[in-house]
Amino acid sequence: SAVISQKPSRDICQRGTSLTIQCQVDSQVTMMFWYRQQPGQSLTLIATANQGSEATYESGFVIDKFPISRPNLTFSTLTVSNMSPEDSSIYLCSVLVRQNTGELFFGEGSRLTVL
Amino acid sequence: TQLLEQSPQFLSIQEGENLTVYCNSSSVFSSLQWYRQEPGEGPVLLVTVVTGGEVKKLKRLTFQFGDARKDSSLHITAAQPGDTGLYLCAGAPTGRRALTFGSGTRLQVQP
Repeated sequence: SAVISQKPSRDICQRGTSLTIQCQVDSQVTMMFWYRQQPGQSLTLIATANQGSEATYESGFVIDKFPISRPNLTFSTLTVSNMSPEDSSIYLCSVLVRQNTGELFFGEGSRLTVL
Repeated sequence: TQLLEQSPQFLSIQEGENLTVYCNSSSVFSSLQWYRQEPGEGPVLLVTVVTGGEVKKLKRLTFQFGDARKDSSLHITAAQPGDTGLYLCAGAPTGRRALTFGSGTRLQVQP
């Protein structure tokens, strides 16, 4: 397992602004992922955060809207840019804990409300 | 279209009842996982099933992986209010490292 700290845990933001979410892991991990969970929904993968290179985005998500940084093996950030009410979601950082089965460990998430 | 479809979407039952949640796909998975998520928290791994036909038991929870490795089920015996939460199946499509999550089943167990 791993201890994952996400900041902020929740925030209320105004339309048109940007917010950066931080994810800190207590040990070095190979793979980190960012997921979005819209109200009442399941999890959707936004991107894989790659250490030292550009993130790999899933269909429907673009770097201009969700820039991601991963400067080292224990830290990543996700920015939600130019927010609209449709971006109101829980954003979850996760790390791969078992490579052969893909098991993930999650942070508690960052609940974002955009007014 | 979801790669992993779960049914039912919602389930509200009384304490002591049994229930089964299904996770179905047209794709083959090398393994499937089940997570439970409670409000304000991230999903927590319950089990991983790897072998077609495999059955795993975790106290009152029984997990089964279909013979063809395209589906899985979660059976809860004598449900308790503490079982309340969002149950998610997940798997990595062939050639991918990242998990795809099912549509989710929200369970409410009334005391």
